[in-house]
Amino acid sequence: ILNVEQSPQSLHVQEGDSTNFTCSFPSSNFYALHWYRWETAKSPEALFVMTLNGDEKKKGRISATLNTKEGYSYLYIKGSQPEDSATYLCAQWHEGSNYQLIWGAGTKLIIKP
Amino acid sequence: EPEVTQTPSHQVTQMGQEVILRCVPISNHLYFYWYRQILGQKVEFLVSFYNNEISEKSEIFDDQFSVERPDGSNFTLKIRSTKLEDSAMYFCASRPPGSWYEQYFGPGTRLTVT
Repeated sequence: ILNVEQSPQSLHVQEGDSTNFTCSFPSSNFYALHWYRWETAKSPEALFVMTLNGDEKKKGRISATLNTKEGYSYLYIKGSQPEDSATYLCAQWHEGSNYQLIWGAGTKLIIKP
Repeated sequence: EPEVTQTPSHQVTQMGQEVILRCVPISNHLYFYWYRQILGQKVEFLVSFYNNEISEKSEIFDDQFSVERPDGSNFTLKIRSTKLEDSAMYFCASRPPGSWYEQYFGPGTRLTVT
């Protein structure tokens, strides 16, 4: 059974602080990992897709790393701002899962002004 | 920028009633998906659709569910006889040709079954 786990479930961070959270996934038959940012009542927004062990991606103050051998990815936010408040979801394409994403439960990030 | 749209944003229905959730994928995309998220749980895959037929479906997608692309632009999810446990946020997504990785999501329809 494929299982993607995210931790922590929720996180309160002071504005201006940096933070990070984790996505862990089955390392066998890895194909690709996605990070999405989801604000309530809006479409989940694609942040990154990573495919190779050691991949690092950056978008403004947000970056992500990937370790396919040990099955984890970190998402980092530098200098958190109130607009970063959202749920951050990771999802794995799994070779053999045939056109579907397997999702983590998300990390809900709340930035305190 | 093109986007996936979904209507309605919120649907309330009584148990046993039929509902149709509508999605308009991005126009040049060829692969379409429905996912759902029950409150407090993970997003779950329901079904994928390509070339006017179902590519894959999950165990959740039983005979009560059906999908259709009736007119080349809309992509619909029908639940024939809703149950209380069908209450969830339903997301539509589409994928462009030539890309294994990208999925673009709509804002979701919150279905409440009473």
